[in-house]
Amino acid sequence: KAGVTQTPRYLIKTRGQQVTLSCSPISGHRSVSWYQQTPGQGLQFLFEYFSETQRNKGNFPGRFSGRQFSNSRSEMNVSTLELGDSALYLCASGEGGLYGYTFGSGTRLTVV
Amino acid sequence: QKEVEQNSGPLSVPEGAIASLNCTYSDRGSQSFFWYRQYSGKSPELIMFIYSNGDKEDGRFTAQLNKASQYVSLLIRDSQPSDSATYLCAVEDGTGGFKTIFGAGTRLFVKA
Repeated sequence: KAGVTQTPRYLIKTRGQQVTLSCSPISGHRSVSWYQQTPGQGLQFLFEYFSETQRNKGNFPGRFSGRQFSNSRSEMNVSTLELGDSALYLCASGEGGLYGYTFGSGTRLTVV
Repeated sequence: QKEVEQNSGPLSVPEGAIASLNCTYSDRGSQSFFWYRQYSGKSPELIMFIYSNGDKEDGRFTAQLNKASQYVSLLIRDSQPSDSATYLCAVEDGTGGFKTIFGAGTRLFVKA
């Protein structure tokens, strides 16, 4: 069974640019969550999608957005990048959260 | 602000000993509790989940939950050097908000 696939693995962007990250969940998983991980803040919840609907959103500015497609694949977008957006972005898929999540390998975003 | 608190460690135990990791949470409505392990440079991996008060055992791992005290713990018996990692406690949002909140993690070192 294939795991959670995130692309790209690494990304370097300039301040002010925008970026789109992609996540393909485990087949059959309809819940996809996104997290930002930094050494100082740990894992911070960004948003959760289930069957194309955003069910919850974390305390991030509106520059952070996401969506989920009918095949459960998800994307997150960050516009007007700031230096502080440099982080590891993790996608996790599950069956609605009751049994926990399986994480992808993450996308390491560096903003310069 | 709902919180999940963990001792950041590091916790150092000799090989073969029992490692005890603790976590407290603020949301009394939370019903689902998880322990993830994260090796350096890797993404988190689910190792245990627990819903009911008491103990749940899986191999060398035992999760303990006390909802009255809002306390979750993880015991690792016969600790091995390969158990050296950061252990993340996670709690599902009690309002049914489809959001998992993570603690900052406890670093565990198992000395051979």
